[in-house]
Amino acid sequence: DIQMTQSPSSLSASVGDRVTITCRASRGISNSLAWYQQKPGKVPKLLIYGASTLQSGVPSRFSGSGSGTDFTLTISSLQPEDVAIYYCQKYNSAVLTFGGGTKVEIK
Amino acid sequence: QVQLVQSGAEVKKPGSSVKVSCKASGDTFSSHAMNWVRQAPGQGLEWMGGIIPIFGAADYAQKFQGRVTITADESTRTVYMDLSSLRSEDTAVYYCAASSTVVGPAAPLDVWGQGTTVTVSS
Repeated sequence: DIQMTQSPSSLSASVGDRVTITCRASRGISNSLAWYQQKPGKVPKLLIYGASTLQSGVPSRFSGSGSGTDFTLTISSLQPEDVAIYYCQKYNSAVLTFGGGTKVEIK
Repeated sequence: QVQLVQSGAEVKKPGSSVKVSCKASGDTFSSHAMNWVRQAPGQGLEWMGGIIPIFGAADYAQKFQGRVTITADESTRTVYMDLSSLRSEDTAVYYCAASSTVVGPAAPLDVWGQGTTVTVSS
């Protein structure tokens, strides 16, 4: 099975900072990569699919890039409401594997 | 718009089984994969398996092979996740999730149920 590895596992940044999270697949998955945001006590929310397509209603400060094995999620200007855990997920097959998550906090 | 409503919280003894249901409402169901994802306390998201109701055959994560069974009832638009031989490590919130737009098994999950807490304790 393809493994998904996220880094860092946590980060702390100031409001307005640019934040980047990395996700690496153990084998190529083309652009079949999604990013989710999960706020404390809430259901996960789809942010990005197809590696770079923003889900409807998601603020434009979120962006995604990458293809093959290496992907990034970028928050261009971190806001207090972005405090959450972010997960990548591959969906190039019927087996949908998540990364371990990245916890984003405000410094 | 598809909505997913799950059954209520469960408390189970070690060694027993639990069956969680997920009822879909809205325009799509039969040809969209319905997936189960769990989250243990303080841990990440873990995909367990999925099923396309119109086909009936399920795919499972290797970790849960032989212990989880996912089934679907098209007449009631309900999907079930049955987990057997429960142990304390199975204590988690179990979510059903699906794509509202993409047909087939390989899709990002934009619709989620509210989650069902399963507690395994003696």
